[in-house]
Amino acid sequence: TQLLEQSPQFLSIQEGENLTVYCNSSSVFSSLQWYRQEPGEGPVLLVTVVTGGEVKKLKRLTFQFGDARKDSSLHITAAQPGDTGLYLCAGLISGTYKYIFGTGTRLKVLA
Amino acid sequence: SAVISQKPSRDICQRGTSLTIQCQVDSQVTMMFWYRQQPGQSLTLIATANQGSEATYESGFVIDKFPISRPNLTFSTLTVSNMSPEDSSIYLCSVEAQDRGYEQYFGPGTRLTVT
Repeated sequence: TQLLEQSPQFLSIQEGENLTVYCNSSSVFSSLQWYRQEPGEGPVLLVTVVTGGEVKKLKRLTFQFGDARKDSSLHITAAQPGDTGLYLCAGLISGTYKYIFGTGTRLKVLA
Repeated sequence: SAVISQKPSRDICQRGTSLTIQCQVDSQVTMMFWYRQQPGQSLTLIATANQGSEATYESGFVIDKFPISRPNLTFSTLTVSNMSPEDSSIYLCSVEAQDRGYEQYFGPGTRLTVT
């Protein structure tokens, strides 16, 4: 069974702090996506990383795909209350069109 | 990206009854997916629905419990049959953009509570 473990599971920080969320697996993925989900809504796609070692930046968010395409990280600089939500990584299983979702990281940024 | 709507947005149902959830997309898509998200947890794929063929179910999910229809390239339904409190979850449909490396886009979800 393929698993995507995210850490930490919960994170509560003050506005302005930096944080990193990790997404780890023993499986290789064709690509990996990061989502943010707010209560009462579906997950919203933030970024897709495809190439091993790839780094993508989205304003204060930096995403990295591991060299072996088994893991990824999301770094948020100067977190804001609007960053609060459930962060999910999802790996595209090689040779398929299916995604496996990570265990999730619930982030709360306090003003 | 695709715009996806779901109906109903939420419902409270009695055990033993069935509920059909609708998913509408604003463009034609080949693959649609149904996920379940139990309270406070991540997403689990229920099945893949391609137009013109039977849905493909993941391990632990069966057609008798979760029948799916896919009558055209913009619409799908998921029925949760003979419900029990354990079926209380958020049910999400999603589509994949094959021309964008299989990126997925989600509907807003249907929050189901079974009493």
